[in-house]
Amino acid sequence: NAGVMQNPRHLVRRRGQEARLRCSPMKGHSHVYWYRQLPEEGLKFMVYLQKENIIDESGMPKERFSAEFPKEGPSILRIQQVVRGDSAAYFCASSSPGLVSEQFFGPGTRLTVL
Amino acid sequence: AQSVTQPDIHITVSEGASLELRCNYSYGATPYLFWYVQSPGQGLQLLLKYFSGDTLVQGIKGFEAEFKRSQSSFNLRKPSVHWSDAAEYFCAVGAGTGRRALTFGSGTRLQVQP
Repeated sequence: NAGVMQNPRHLVRRRGQEARLRCSPMKGHSHVYWYRQLPEEGLKFMVYLQKENIIDESGMPKERFSAEFPKEGPSILRIQQVVRGDSAAYFCASSSPGLVSEQFFGPGTRLTVL
Repeated sequence: AQSVTQPDIHITVSEGASLELRCNYSYGATPYLFWYVQSPGQGLQLLLKYFSGDTLVQGIKGFEAEFKRSQSSFNLRKPSVHWSDAAEYFCAVGAGTGRRALTFGSGTRLQVQP
């Protein structure tokens, strides 16, 4: 049973470009979460999605960032017009629909903005 | 708002020695508490979790943690550390919608001396 998959593992963008990060949850998981980890810091919650719905986006920056989890295919975290401060590791996690369930994390995508 | 404090940024112990990593949380209701471990360049692996019931929880790799409501603490312990335990350890509390948005501490980096 494959774990949470993220791609690409490393992504380099120039300032002003767009970054698209993909996350495929574990089989049977319908809940996806995105977290950002800045260097030497803990993870910060960004957004929680279920299929075709954003449940909690309280941690998402108000501009340039968006996330989706379509009926078919992976969840996408999209960052428009990237800036140097967006350089970080972005982790995706997934969980089952149960009332109380643990989150399984992917290996992360390390975004570098030049 | 919820928060998690890990007061020790960096800890060094000798192999075979006991270990305790501290975690204090702030949350208005009964917390869902987690300990995760992260090896360099990797994602997070769940060590153990507390939702309710017995306040002493057992996890993987010989780790345990004790929930103390009166002290708002959830300290992680291991009786005998192995060199392979060297990693970064994160404490987290579940909050937000369905308590699914995890708030992480800033982490404790563990070094193990031979």
